[in-house]
Amino acid sequence: KNEVEQSPQNLTAQEGEFITINCSYSVGISALHWLQQHPGGGIVSLFMLSSGKKKHGRLIATINIQEKHSSLHITASHPRDSAVYICAVGRPGGGADGLTFGKGTHLIIQP
Amino acid sequence: DARVTQTPRHKVTEMGQEVTMRCQPILGHNTVFWYRQTMMQGLELLAYFRNRAPLDDSGMPKDRFSAEMPDATLATLKIQPSEPRDSAVYFCASGLVRDGENFSGANVLTFGAGSRLTVL
Repeated sequence: KNEVEQSPQNLTAQEGEFITINCSYSVGISALHWLQQHPGGGIVSLFMLSSGKKKHGRLIATINIQEKHSSLHITASHPRDSAVYICAVGRPGGGADGLTFGKGTHLIIQP
Repeated sequence: DARVTQTPRHKVTEMGQEVTMRCQPILGHNTVFWYRQTMMQGLELLAYFRNRAPLDDSGMPKDRFSAEMPDATLATLKIQPSEPRDSAVYFCASGLVRDGENFSGANVLTFGAGSRLTVL
């Protein structure tokens, strides 16, 4: 079983829809990252959070430490939001193994 | 706008050839990671440097892969000889970790644009 599981793997929605991408993890973490990867490959860090909720523009990330679960929401989705969204977790205690990544959620927003 | 610079962006080579990928981390960052991304495995850690010293390269096939930081502004990942199964996108990421601490994941990493390698 992967330590970081994302759902759904693929999501196609219409412009304007409210989008939710989920991430569950099975290990203790120091922080959880949401990353965005557009076609063409570059990876951009969207959020890093260890509790509660963060908001940036139309993007909202939440985390529930007790349930080991995080969600990424996109409000008023737009075709330019089409990308792969990757959840990654970091370990507490100074583990020297970088981040552990989910397999990503492929999001397509149709006009 | 500080960024991590990777070269080449694309590389097509024949099996058996040597491939060298380069990464210029953000000035002042003291941690550098090399990741490999494939459709099947997603993102996997290959190597991790702190203050130019390799701390973890357990994810890297040692017989053909090598990673170095000749200086603080350059990290290299070399594959010799390359094989078709090495075809992937290779990402470099850098971050800043305070002295006396280890990377815990609660540090922001900045990723480069990646080097797409195709080995024929």
